[in-house]
Amino acid sequence: DSGVTQTPKHLITATGQRVTLRCSPRSGDLSVYWYQQSLDQGLQFLIQYYNGEERAKGNILERFSAQQFPDLHSELNLSSLELGDSALYFCASSVDYPGLVRDEQFFGPGTRLTVL
Amino acid sequence: DAKTTQPPSMDCAEGRAANLPCNHSTISGNEYVYWYRQIHSQGPQYIIHGLKNNETNEMASLIITEDRKSSTLILPHATLRDTAVYYCIVLNAGKSTFGDGTTLTVKP
Repeated sequence: DSGVTQTPKHLITATGQRVTLRCSPRSGDLSVYWYQQSLDQGLQFLIQYYNGEERAKGNILERFSAQQFPDLHSELNLSSLELGDSALYFCASSVDYPGLVRDEQFFGPGTRLTVL
Repeated sequence: DAKTTQPPSMDCAEGRAANLPCNHSTISGNEYVYWYRQIHSQGPQYIIHGLKNNETNEMASLIITEDRKSSTLILPHATLRDTAVYYCIVLNAGKSTFGDGTTLTVKP
């Protein structure tokens, strides 16, 4: 158990809909990362938040957005869903204190999204 | 972040050492090499990281060449439970790109 929790575990929805995925980082971790993993593909970095602020952005679609709240949990919002958005979505967290060399990320169990 | 190149797949006999190579020829001086693994569809698991010195922990050893352009992850006594996709990434700050990794299959 990494200490990172993600809800829901599974999500089935229809094209055109909007969903919200939730992530709670490990206690004390300031950074949250979101990744997308489509079938038989590697992990695609979407976005990173650090202490409530966006820090880095990857190949995140404009239909997707994220935020990190004051209690450090994060949500990934996916809208106007398409069949191709079906994937595993992972959240990870790391300590990432200022001045600390970039440290390891701890991954949650993922949310499996199926768009029908 | 520097790009990494890994072989798509490798086999290893149970109980033997598994040596997984990674090329990162464009690595810069302040970028670390990280290794993660992903078992089936679980969340990736951190294994080890290093800058220029060799590193060892309870899971594995990391050997980084003197020019830092490549590295090797060593699982000293592979077990069936080590069958997974192994990702080598290099990063300092910014985007975390995992690539396709190496699928290691440990065989009885």
